[in-house]
Amino acid sequence: DGGITQSPKYLFRKEGQNVTLSCEQNLNHDAMYWYRQDPGQGLRLIYYSQIVNDFQKGDIAEGYSVSREKKESFPLTVTSAQKNPTAFYLCASSIGGQYGYTFGSGTRLTVV
Amino acid sequence: SQQGEEDPQALSIQEGENATMNCSYKTSINNLQWYRQNSGRGLVHLILIRSNEREKHSGRLRVTLDTSKKSSSLLITASRAADTASYFCAPVTNTPLVFGKGTRLSVIA
Repeated sequence: DGGITQSPKYLFRKEGQNVTLSCEQNLNHDAMYWYRQDPGQGLRLIYYSQIVNDFQKGDIAEGYSVSREKKESFPLTVTSAQKNPTAFYLCASSIGGQYGYTFGSGTRLTVV
Repeated sequence: SQQGEEDPQALSIQEGENATMNCSYKTSINNLQWYRQNSGRGLVHLILIRSNEREKHSGRLRVTLDTSKKSSSLLITASRAADTASYFCAPVTNTPLVFGKGTRLSVIA
């Protein structure tokens, strides 16, 4: 079955560490997205990529970095520059921006 | 990016009742989508309504769109406990989707 897989489900980070969240899709979708969700809040866009080897900043890109070397993969690195990284991170993909998004099941990141 | 504003923020109903939630947005759109999010999970795409459509049905879901009022509504008929979730609308323009706080629906058995 086609889908989008995020790993790990739970991640703990010490202060000052970089961590990388994985997002893989086998839907042959061109576009991929990363969102952050805080408790009781909406989803805020971190980065998105519409094609391999290209990506754009979203509304809250500071302290995050991404790469898009393969169509299937769009990893997100949360750097030590992100001052408040504890949140629920969601990855999504779509055929194109006008169509429905398929979401992964999320990674919950906690700073300890 | 443009986000929709869902109303009410929270809704509690008995099983079997209908649930209606509303969405308002600010600019012209290409289409509008509705999503559901169960607690601690990713969003699931429910339905897409194009800007030239006024109403669309999918199973127990009925969506309306009024582009003159820049608003949409999602009706869930004969609700079930399994419908308990947060519901988000997403107005679609030429930029990536953004999502507001959603409507938290609780269906009590």
